[in-house]
Amino acid sequence: EVQLVESGGGLVQPGGSLRLSCAASGFTFSSYAMNWVRQAPGKGLEWVSAISGGGGSTYYADSVKGRFAISRDNSKNTLYLQMNSLRAEDTAVYYCTTMRHWGQGTLVTVSS
Amino acid sequence: DIQMTQSPSTLSASVGDRVTITCRASQSISSWLAWYQQKPGKAPKLLIYKASSLEGGVPSRFSGSGSGTEFTLTISSLQPDDFATYYCQQYNGTFGQGTKVEIK
Repeated sequence: EVQLVESGGGLVQPGGSLRLSCAASGFTFSSYAMNWVRQAPGKGLEWVSAISGGGGSTYYADSVKGRFAISRDNSKNTLYLQMNSLRAEDTAVYYCTTMRHWGQGTLVTVSS
Repeated sequence: DIQMTQSPSTLSASVGDRVTITCRASQSISSWLAWYQQKPGKAPKLLIYKASSLEGGVPSRFSGSGSGTEFTLTISSLQPDDFATYYCQQYNGTFGQGTKVEIK
């Protein structure tokens, strides 16, 4: 059974940093591109970032470019999202996803 | 960046109705489009991939069509479980703004 389990969310002050993790199991992790998608309270889905299976190619939404960094450790079947210079508008539930499979999400709240 | 525009934003329909949602891409994305269903408090669920391929376990009343810049999701006969919000997404990229399907 495919499982994606996010962790690392929480409350952080504006300008702060947070690192999200996503532990994957039940499939050949290194064969799949992975994405981070977020959803602000009461809003639609927003694609944040993607990374190729080998990790050599990364992509970002304009809203997070230069502040967020996606990475993966295929030896640990884990996806990461390093989030720096956080803003109030980054407050959202963050999902890791293969498109077909989704985690349960982790809530990031940026507030003073 | 490619923009994805969905219409309508909200749709009121009755059980048994045929429902169509449109998604337009700002430039050609070939058939690299997915459709999702999301219910409140839940993660999205993949319905359609590569514009027209039905995901395993998804009822056959759901269908997708289109290529290039114009895509549609059709529900042939709306069921009570189908009242939800639907999103299109270009592969590994932008989502449409969503279409909420409400009970009429």
